Amino acid sequence: GQQLNQSPQSMFIQEGEDVSMNCTSSSIFNTWLWYKQDPGEGPVLLIALYKAGELTSNGRLTAQFGITRKDSFLNISASIPSDVGIYFCAGLPSGTYKYIFGTGTRLKVLA
Amino acid sequence: GAVVSQHPSRVICKSGTSVKIECRSLDFQATTMFWYRQFPKQSLMLMATSNEGSKATYEQGVEKDKFLINHASLTLSTLTVTSAHPEDSSFYICSAGKRVDEQYFGPGTRLTVT
Repeated sequence: GQQLNQSPQSMFIQEGEDVSMNCTSSSIFNTWLWYKQDPGEGPVLLIALYKAGELTSNGRLTAQFGITRKDSFLNISASIPSDVGIYFCAGLPSGTYKYIFGTGTRLKVLA
Repeated sequence: GAVVSQHPSRVICKSGTSVKIECRSLDFQATTMFWYRQFPKQSLMLMATSNEGSKATYEQGVEKDKFLINHASLTLSTLTVTSAHPEDSSFYICSAGKRVDEQYFGPGTRLTVT
């Protein structure tokens, strides 16, 4: 199936550092969702974006819906050890109800 | 948020047997639920869309006779893996939402076929 380009694939950062990851697509999306998945668990919804240009925060997390509607980024500020996990973006293409998932960004935080 | 549960969380079965996985929306009704499969270190791949009161729609390459989906009520969808084989071993996850553009995932079911 189709997947979004998500980068970076993995990151090793020091505790306290900021993190940035993004997803890009060749298609226009109506909605972007960002999820975090811990090992052996289902993804947990972090942030939902519904309008181009929208910037939304959830605690230390901030995500933006790209103005072209073909990309989105997620920032995590002042990372802590529990931020470790896999982060996925998911985009809802125009004219469909089926989400397409990014390839994931594996985040490891070094204390 | 919305709560989605799955049962069982883990199941081990012998090759050739069938396994049923349940997905429930606990605090809302969902006319549509989605079933995904996730192999180790990979992303989620949509298998099928479960529609309450009608037949499920399957993604290309997913065998509808092997992965039986029943969405008999607004809060329950089931996925039955029939005649399971070792290559069916995977992490199966469902999602649902009050709105189709806002999806919450269940905790997943780890299927191991021996």
